[in-house]
Amino acid sequence: DAGITQSPRYKITETGRQVTLMCHQTWSHSYMFWYRQDLGHGLRLIYYSAAADITDKGEVPDGYVVSRSKTENFPLTLESATRSQTSVYFCASRMGLAGGQETQYFGPGTRLLVL
Amino acid sequence: AQKVTQAQTEISVVEKEDVTLDCVYETRDTTYYLFWYKQPPSGELVFLIRRNSFDEQNEISGRYSWNFQKSTSSFNFTITASQVVDSAVYFCALLPNTGNQFYFGTGTSLTVIP
Repeated sequence: DAGITQSPRYKITETGRQVTLMCHQTWSHSYMFWYRQDLGHGLRLIYYSAAADITDKGEVPDGYVVSRSKTENFPLTLESATRSQTSVYFCASRMGLAGGQETQYFGPGTRLLVL
Repeated sequence: AQKVTQAQTEISVVEKEDVTLDCVYETRDTTYYLFWYKQPPSGELVFLIRRNSFDEQNEISGRYSWNFQKSTSSFNFTITASQVVDSAVYFCALLPNTGNQFYFGTGTSLTVIP
């Protein structure tokens, strides 16, 4: 049972480069999320998706792009990376919004360093 | 407004002591869900418990227990006889029934000293 995976786990890039972080889940969960975690800010929501082809902005969407053509994948792209996007990125998923489906499960995280 | 407050930023206890992590939430929804997650030094986020707003029964799981009180909008987490392996950052979270996203507290960093 692979659950939810993220790749790469570690990434170093340079300012201005495009970077894509991958997220894949094997549970057929409807909802998927991208968070960033920074010291002093806790977990902040970047984007989320309620189903394939449906995405919405979270608290800090600027500089990021997402897509969800397939239920199991939810890639996050930094179109032109900036140093302020150095962070740990977590992908998460959950089945639904009722009947015990509300629990959100997290991937292992991707540590991104932008030089 | 939807909000979760974890006022304790850092806590240190000596092994075998009991410790309570506080969580206070705000929501206008009558149906909502509350969660606790653990983030050990290895970095992953581990689900611990889910509670819905209609179930105010306290829950115990081994050395862990949770006290949900709607009257004070609190969902506190107690670790009994703490162990070094309990050292982690603990996050409380709220999911309102009318929304899609979780609201996380800023976390409490617990250090258990051997």
